[in-house]
Formats: sequence, C-alpha cells, structure tokens
Amino acid sequence: GAVVSQHPSRVICKSGTSVKIECRSLDFQATTMFWYRQFPKQSLMLMATSNEGSKATYEQGVEKDKFLINHASLTLSTLTVTSAHPEDSSFYICSARRPGGGKMNTEAFFGQGTRLTVV
Amino acid sequence: ELKVEQNPLFLSMQEGKNYTIYCNYSTTSDRLYWYRQDPGKSLESLFVLLSNGAVKQEGRLMASLDTKARLSTLHITAAVHDLSATYFCAVDIRSNYQLIWGAGTKLIIKP
Repeated sequence: GAVVSQHPSRVICKSGTSVKIECRSLDFQATTMFWYRQFPKQSLMLMATSNEGSKATYEQGVEKDKFLINHASLTLSTLTVTSAHPEDSSFYICSARRPGGGKMNTEAFFGQGTRLTVV
Repeated sequence: ELKVEQNPLFLSMQEGKNYTIYCNYSTTSDRLYWYRQDPGKSLESLFVLLSNGAVKQEGRLMASLDTKARLSTLHITAAVHDLSATYFCAVDIRSNYQLIWGAGTKLIIKP
C-alpha cells in the first residue's frame, strides 16, 4: 500500500484563490519531504525541500511567497499555492524518504500527485 | 553542474523486441533509481540500485549500474504493450536526500 499519501488528487480553482495540497507519510517519520512540479511531457522539477520544524529550502526561481510550504509535523507537509493563476496549473508531486542510515532505507516514496487546474 | 542524461527520450517499438534505455550521470554516486510513470499518474518505483555492478530484474525489465562509467541501463526483453509508459532514472545526492532526475524516456510498444 501507499506509504506517502497526497491529497487532493485533482483540484480546480478560480484565479486569485489559494489551494492547499497535503502530503502525509503513513508509516514513517519524514524529517524531509520534497515538492516537485511536473509540466506536460517533462521531467520532475524540484520546487523545494520541506524540513520539519524549520523553513523550507526553495530552488532557484521558485517564489517562496507564492508556494508556501509548512512542515509542522514529522508526518505532514503542506504546499499552498497562493493567489493562483492559470500558469500555476500543473501536476504537483510530493516525495518522502525514510531518514537514517543504511542502504535499506534509501528508497524515495511518492504521493499520488495533484493535478491543479486554475481557471 | 550535476546532470543526468537519458537516451533515447522517445522510443517506439514492436511487441516482442528487445531494447535498452541508457542513463548517464555526471556526479559521483553509487545509488540510482528507476521509476515508471503512466499518463496522469505519479511515479512507481521499479528498481533501487545501490552499488557498482548491481543488477536487478523484475519480469521483462532488468536494470544495471556501473558506477565507474556512471552509467545505468534499463533493458526490456520481449516487450509487451503493458510496458508502455515513461521511464525515469534518478541519481542520489546523499548530502540532503535529493534526487537528480533524467528527462524521462517515453516508451510506446505497439501490439
């Protein structure tokens, strides 16, 4: 079963409104989660690294005031797209990896993705 | 600059044929991952390769890793239509758990 759960899977919102996407790790504590954006027919683009209890680390070119990330607990990170516009329409995917050492726990788990359409 | 290059980016093949997707990377790493993505869906983990010379097989797919050559391959044997998808490789940057992604290979297998 899924170890990372992402909701909602699909959302349509009006331009100017805000949308919150949740990412939960179900059976482990994730001190670090990743938020990706994927444009059609392209690879994943890392937006930011979400760190539990501290500020997220944003990649170059990603507006932190537009894409608010909160990682308030070890099992939940949220991405809020503020004042959404049609160009924000995309597929957003979160990811989490089990912390700790050892090669057994290196796999990255992905949420189901969120298809955001801003109209 | 850290780069992960996949080729080909697009592959159309007939059922029953064999083919290989290549993943070259520019940084030192001994951890590489292969994922499958179906249209409109998220990523499904296929293989986790954790050491030089690692080879893993699952059904008609086989992945290998050569860390000295900084090359991983995903080999498809006797392809079937159900394997049509986009395949991504990703290289591990251990310092912060970040993955560096290839551009993806869109595979279409015609019946």
